Amino acid sequence: AQSVTQLDSQVPVFEEAPVELRCNYSSSVSVYLFWYVQYPNQGLQLLLKYLSGSTLVKGINGFEAEFNKSQTSFHLRKPSVHISDTAEYFCAVSETSRGSTLGRLYFGRGTQLTVWP
Amino acid sequence: DVKVTQSSRYLVKRTGEKVFLECVQDMDHENMFWYRQDPGLGLRLIYFSYDVKMKEKGDIPEGYSVSREKKERFSLILESASTNQTSMYLCASSVRDRGYEQYFGPGTRLTVT
Repeated sequence: AQSVTQLDSQVPVFEEAPVELRCNYSSSVSVYLFWYVQYPNQGLQLLLKYLSGSTLVKGINGFEAEFNKSQTSFHLRKPSVHISDTAEYFCAVSETSRGSTLGRLYFGRGTQLTVWP
Repeated sequence: DVKVTQSSRYLVKRTGEKVFLECVQDMDHENMFWYRQDPGLGLRLIYFSYDVKMKEKGDIPEGYSVSREKKERFSLILESASTNQTSMYLCASSVRDRGYEQYFGPGTRLTVT
């Protein structure tokens, strides 16, 4: 089965600092990649996704991610964070052509980003 | 915008009760999913469905069942609730055209006492 690893369970940063949240996956087949954000007591909201084309993907709220096929990674970055970015972030992978599991997303365990003033 | 709604935000049930969690989506998506979310464990897939009356087991189906009688509605059933089913339950839907991007409901926080 597909495996998604978020290397950091918690990332504390100060406001206006840059941040990178790391994500690696295990699939050797073609994939779609996603980052979701979850604010307290809410469902997940899509931040950005990679389906094909340019490996640098821009999302909402100033976030971007880069797909690296050789390293099977999809790290999320923001050059300057705000306190309002405090939330949990989930990386997810979907295989594009795998039979009965087509459409299923495999999630990492999440990274809690805390932005301090 | 796609909207996924869940019948309750908070629910408290007693051990042994039968519990129904309802999920409705309004965008004609063929795929629907039920997850539970626990601290440190992320999202774990319970069941999913590709079509009406179709269901597939996820990673943790034990103690749960599902029903999909209409395309827009996907129900999660706890036949006999237990305290270890206390959790946040998230429903999602998706469609192939958007790369299977999943749209999530707000979640139901279930407490079993």
